[in-house]
Amino acid sequence: GAGVSQSPSNKVTEKGKDVELRCDPISGHTALYWYRQSLGQGLEFLIYFQGNSAPDKSGLPSDRFSAERTGGSVSTLTIQRTQQEDSAVYLCASSTGLAGSTDTQYFGPGTRLTVL
Amino acid sequence: GNSVTQMEGPVTLSEEAFLTINCTYTATGYPSLFWYVQYPGEGLQLLLKATKADDKGSNKGFEATYRKETTSFHLEKGSVQVSDSAVYFCALIEYGNKLVFGAGTILRVKS
Repeated sequence: GAGVSQSPSNKVTEKGKDVELRCDPISGHTALYWYRQSLGQGLEFLIYFQGNSAPDKSGLPSDRFSAERTGGSVSTLTIQRTQQEDSAVYLCASSTGLAGSTDTQYFGPGTRLTVL
Repeated sequence: GNSVTQMEGPVTLSEEAFLTINCTYTATGYPSLFWYVQYPGEGLQLLLKATKADDKGSNKGFEATYRKETTSFHLEKGSVQVSDSAVYFCALIEYGNKLVFGAGTILRVKS
């Protein structure tokens, strides 16, 4: 089937606005991850959902960032009151959730966020 | 905390040259180790992985061996092609299924 899809592919916003980024994982994958890729910080983990368990939010950089996963499938990452340092490529990944730390994570193409 | 250090790039090689990209890690236990590749204009793809000491991961002519004694997972390929030009990321997972990535190494292969 299809891979991980993300929308939009590009988002330009003004400082202080809220943005929502969407991720559609591979069908049947119970685990979903958000990462971001920026020039200064490289690739960083943000948040991890596994089934119906409480998400691991330990990578979220501030309380302006939040994410939810509805119905165990689609996920939305929301950034409130965007700042210029939020500019990055936001990557979503999913995995079967069956193999723990050896699970292969499949990445989407990313959403490039630019905050002016 | 856990961390991954990989050699800085860019690495520029001629076609058919031998490739090594060094990667070392810091972890409290025994993580799983991964190499991901990002081709120009494309998303991250898993290249290979190894889940325990002395395991060798291999794919598309690339190999890496999990060396616990040196905490290393160096990526090698005997003969690179222009199509191998990409950014390569070494990564680990120890707890919580969170990938911890190195900074990435740009590889450029000239014909």
